[in-house]
Amino acid sequence: EDQVTQSPEALRLQEGESSSLNCSYTVSGLRGLFWYRQDPGKGPEFLFTLYSAGEEKEKERLKATLTKKESFLHITAPKPEDSATYLCAVQAHAAGNKLTFGGGTRVLVKP
Amino acid sequence: DVKVTQSSRYLVKRTGEKVFLECVQDMDHENMFWYRQDPGLGLRLIYFSYDVKMKEKGDIPEGYSVSREKKERFSLILESASTNQTSMYLCASSPAPSIPQETQYFGPGTRLLVL
Repeated sequence: EDQVTQSPEALRLQEGESSSLNCSYTVSGLRGLFWYRQDPGKGPEFLFTLYSAGEEKEKERLKATLTKKESFLHITAPKPEDSATYLCAVQAHAAGNKLTFGGGTRVLVKP
Repeated sequence: DVKVTQSSRYLVKRTGEKVFLECVQDMDHENMFWYRQDPGLGLRLIYFSYDVKMKEKGDIPEGYSVSREKKERFSLILESASTNQTSMYLCASSPAPSIPQETQYFGPGTRLLVL
């Protein structure tokens, strides 16, 4: 059974204080690992897809990396507008287009 | 831009009522999904559909049914609503698995309260 575990559950940062979110996964044949951002009361918004170990993707202050067992979402010099819940999901080759989600990390960036 | 819309943002229903949640996507996507999201439990897949009139059970289908009569529309039905179905319901769509970068695109969600 595919499993995704995100840590920490919650993270409080000062503006400018860089940090990393962890997504550990077990999957039978990884097809892709996805990162989403979710604001309160809204649907998840797609950020990145990573396909193979060693791959990295960047978008503004966010950088996602992937190894064979986990992915990290690095937030560099965060701003208050980066406050959100960040969700990680995996897709297995045998799962068609189904995703298995982690529980998310709630990030609060204080000015 | 992909657009996924859901018929209601907030809904209040009584126990035992039949509830319909509608989802429409405008990108001609083959796949559509219904999730529920609860604090501490994350997103859980209820049902999904790979094509018109086709449906597959997800991880928690009990108490729900779905309908996909047209490619762009996917409905979630609560046959007899119960208080434990109070939740945030999220619809998503994606193109066929053979297309690269085939992430799922989510609607804004429907917050359902069953009294």
